[in-house]
Amino acid sequence: AQSVTQLGSHVSVSEGALVLLRCNYSSSVPPYLFWYVQYPNQGLQLLLKYTSAATLVKGINGFEAEFKKSETSFHLTKPSAHMSDAAEYFCAVNRPNSGYALNFGKGTSLLVTP
Amino acid sequence: GAGVSQSPSNKVTEKGKDVELRCDPISGHTALYWYRQSLGQGLEFLIYFQGNSAPDKSGLPSDRFSAERTGGSVSTLTIQRTQQEDSAVYLCASSQQGASYEQYFGPGTRLTVT
Repeated sequence: AQSVTQLGSHVSVSEGALVLLRCNYSSSVPPYLFWYVQYPNQGLQLLLKYTSAATLVKGINGFEAEFKKSETSFHLTKPSAHMSDAAEYFCAVNRPNSGYALNFGKGTSLLVTP
Repeated sequence: GAGVSQSPSNKVTEKGKDVELRCDPISGHTALYWYRQSLGQGLEFLIYFQGNSAPDKSGLPSDRFSAERTGGSVSTLTIQRTQQEDSAVYLCASSQQGASYEQYFGPGTRLTVT
């Protein structure tokens, strides 16, 4: 089955530091991969998606992710953290044989300290 | 334009009662999804509707859960004989057809079963 694993349920970085949120996938077919963000008391918002085009994907708010088939990874990065980046981040992969519904990871809570 | 809307935003019900949760997708979106977000299980897929095709119900946790989509638009998720473990935030999303199309999420309905 298609699944994703997010390493680290909580990540803390200093403002201005590199943000790295890890996601590894398991898939029997070429996957479509997504990162969503959920700000406190808000709905889920798409950050970026990989759909078998360019392996380096750029998203909103300065985030990007690189699809690495050899490592089955799709880690999310941002060069310089901002206080407003504090949120819950979810990695997701398309479900097999279920149209385009998604299987989500457990989520990583990002804390940004001054 | 208007996003995905869900009602009610909060619902408190007694164990054993039935509840109905409503989702209004973005106009023109043919795909509609229900997910559940809970502390213990993270984000789980429940059911997926695509146009007039039979829905994918593979994520429904028990036969107490059902959903329908009328006229290819509004959807209702029904939980019969609610249990305390049904307490969660129920999220609805809609998208255009195709995996590369972004899923737009509603704000969710927080269900509390007492």
